[in-house]
Amino acid sequence: GDSVTQMEGPVTLSEEAFLTINCTYTATGYPSLFWYVQYPGEGLQLLLKATKADDKGSNKGFEATYRKETTSFHLEKGSVQVSDSAVYFCALRGAYGGSQGNLIFGKGTKLSVKP
Amino acid sequence: DTAVSQTPKYLVTQMGNDKSIKCEQNLGHDTMYWYKQDSKKFLKIMFSYNNKELIINETVPNRFSPKSPDKAHLNLHINSLELGDSAVYFCASSPGQGRNTIYFGEGSWLTVV
Repeated sequence: GDSVTQMEGPVTLSEEAFLTINCTYTATGYPSLFWYVQYPGEGLQLLLKATKADDKGSNKGFEATYRKETTSFHLEKGSVQVSDSAVYFCALRGAYGGSQGNLIFGKGTKLSVKP
Repeated sequence: DTAVSQTPKYLVTQMGNDKSIKCEQNLGHDTMYWYKQDSKKFLKIMFSYNNKELIINETVPNRFSPKSPDKAHLNLHINSLELGDSAVYFCASSPGQGRNTIYFGEGSWLTVV
């Protein structure tokens, strides 16, 4: 079945460091890909998305490019801030049949940014 | 103007009790969901409704019963609560099935003591 694998955390960085969180997927057909973020004590927020190959999703300085050839959707940010400390989830949503349109999540990567 | 709202946000209750979590969305979406996040932050689908019809029912104990009175509401009732039911429960909605974005509520933190 469909699945998402993202790098294990926790990830600890200093402010202004470069961030990469790796995410790869397995899916039938052509899924949509998402990054969600969960700040401490809060709910899930959509961070960015991409719906087809070579699309780049971006928001709040974060970017991710849908790479069909490597089945990847790595999250990057050039300069992290303390306020970026959160858990980041990579997810996919397939068309009918593959994952029944269900959102399949990776296990989450906790990011801590130190001043 | 909260898009997906769920209540209560925090709930502490004793084993054996019955409790409900309510969810409403004002986005005009046809499809609603319940997800469970365990203590390790892992998120998994529990149920999905499309236009009040159950379309996904994962392996969940039958103590959990979703109810959708209309397509804007999807409530979750839990009977005979157990310690292992302690988790964060997220309600969500989307414009339909397929590859559309799913929007989440703020979560309901359930603690069973």
